[in-house]
Amino acid sequence: DSGVTQTPKHLITATGQRVTLRCSPRSGDLSVYWYQQSLDQGLQFLIQYYNGEERAKGNILERFSAQQFPDLHSELNLSSLELGDSALYFCASSVGPGTAVYGYTFGSGTRLTVV
Amino acid sequence: EDQVTQSPEALRLQEGESSSLNCSYTVSGLRGLFWYRQDPGKGPEFLFTLYSAGEEKEKERLKATLTKKESFLHITAPKPEDSATYLCAVNSGGYQKVTFGTGTKLQVIP
Repeated sequence: DSGVTQTPKHLITATGQRVTLRCSPRSGDLSVYWYQQSLDQGLQFLIQYYNGEERAKGNILERFSAQQFPDLHSELNLSSLELGDSALYFCASSVGPGTAVYGYTFGSGTRLTVV
Repeated sequence: EDQVTQSPEALRLQEGESSSLNCSYTVSGLRGLFWYRQDPGKGPEFLFTLYSAGEEKEKERLKATLTKKESFLHITAPKPEDSATYLCAVNSGGYQKVTFGTGTKLQVIP
């Protein structure tokens, strides 16, 4: 157990629907990062939050949004889902706001299947 | 834009057969190069951070090295439990995000 908790582990939904993925960071970590991992593609950075504030944005679609709450857990909202959104979504955490020199701690991911 | 290319895509080794994985990168001002291990159905697990050319880090049967254009992950006398996908990632100056390669899938056969 890495200490980063992601729920749900699996999610199957239809095109056009909206889903919410949840992440609780490792105790003491203030930064949360969201990554998307599709077949044959590397981990694609979506967005980072630090202590409740958006810190950095990557290749996140306008249909996707995220937030970090006062208790530091984060949610990734995916709307108007398309077949191409099917992927593994990982959450990672680190202590500080900058790039973690000791690496990120990743959760086990949420596997999203859009049918 | 930062780019990371890993080779080979897949590698099959006999137990005890040493080899190296390659990570070539293009960045504007390297702040750090990272190696992660990912097991099927799990999130990546951090292994090493390298900062400057010539630096080396070791952990059990793994040794990571860094030059100005690439990094190598050397695996000495691998065991079946070393089977996993190994990911390389870079962070360049001025950016918060870390760019990952697509990984090398290593299979070690008993």
